Amino acid sequence: EIVMTQSPATLSVSPGERATLSCRASQSITSNLAWYQQKPGQAPRLLIYGATTRATGIPARFSGSGSGTEFTLTISSLQSEDFAVYYCQQYNNWPLFGQGTKLEIK
Amino acid sequence: QVQLVESGGGVAQPGRSLRLSCAASGFTFSSHGMHWVRQAPGKGLEWVALIRYDGSNKYYVDSVKGRFTISRDNSKNTLYLQMNSLRAEDTAVYYCARDQNYGDPSVTYWYFDLWGRGTLVTVSS
Repeated sequence: EIVMTQSPATLSVSPGERATLSCRASQSITSNLAWYQQKPGQAPRLLIYGATTRATGIPARFSGSGSGTEFTLTISSLQSEDFAVYYCQQYNNWPLFGQGTKLEIK
Repeated sequence: QVQLVESGGGVAQPGRSLRLSCAASGFTFSSHGMHWVRQAPGKGLEWVALIRYDGSNKYYVDSVKGRFTISRDNSKNTLYLQMNSLRAEDTAVYYCARDQNYGDPSVTYWYFDLWGRGTLVTVSS
């Protein structure tokens, strides 16, 4: 059974700075990874699929990288609306989410 | 506009049943696989079930197999989740979510490009 591990659990970053979020799979999932953003009281929003492809309407400051077992979501210059919880999800097997990274204002 | 709207949540006693609905609008519902995903209070996301675009195949997470049934009515643009034998651990916000479609509805991508706002199910005596 695949296990998805996100790190860190909480990340404190100042607006305008870069944020780097990590997601690790316990076995290879090739590039079958998606990233979602969830704000309090809202549904998740798809950001990235195929590990690197931005979903429709997602700003270019969001980028995804990685393959196999190690993946990264980078937000190049944080805006106020980017502070949220981020989940990775593998779909190489049955869909499975990581436990989330809370991105908070420093 | 393109949206999914869930309904049917509420409070149920353990062992009882609830049926959730998800009304789709603004896109060709019959061309997409559809999922239910849940989120327990203060917790992460858990995929629950998938139904293919034409209802031909259904898949479930092990914890709900034999208790939950996913279905759809493409003439009404509506997705359903029948939840029987409810347990306390089923307490969660339930989201319906759309599977990606690049033109061939028979292909399931297993990630979610559109979500509803969710409906809360509380199982408590």
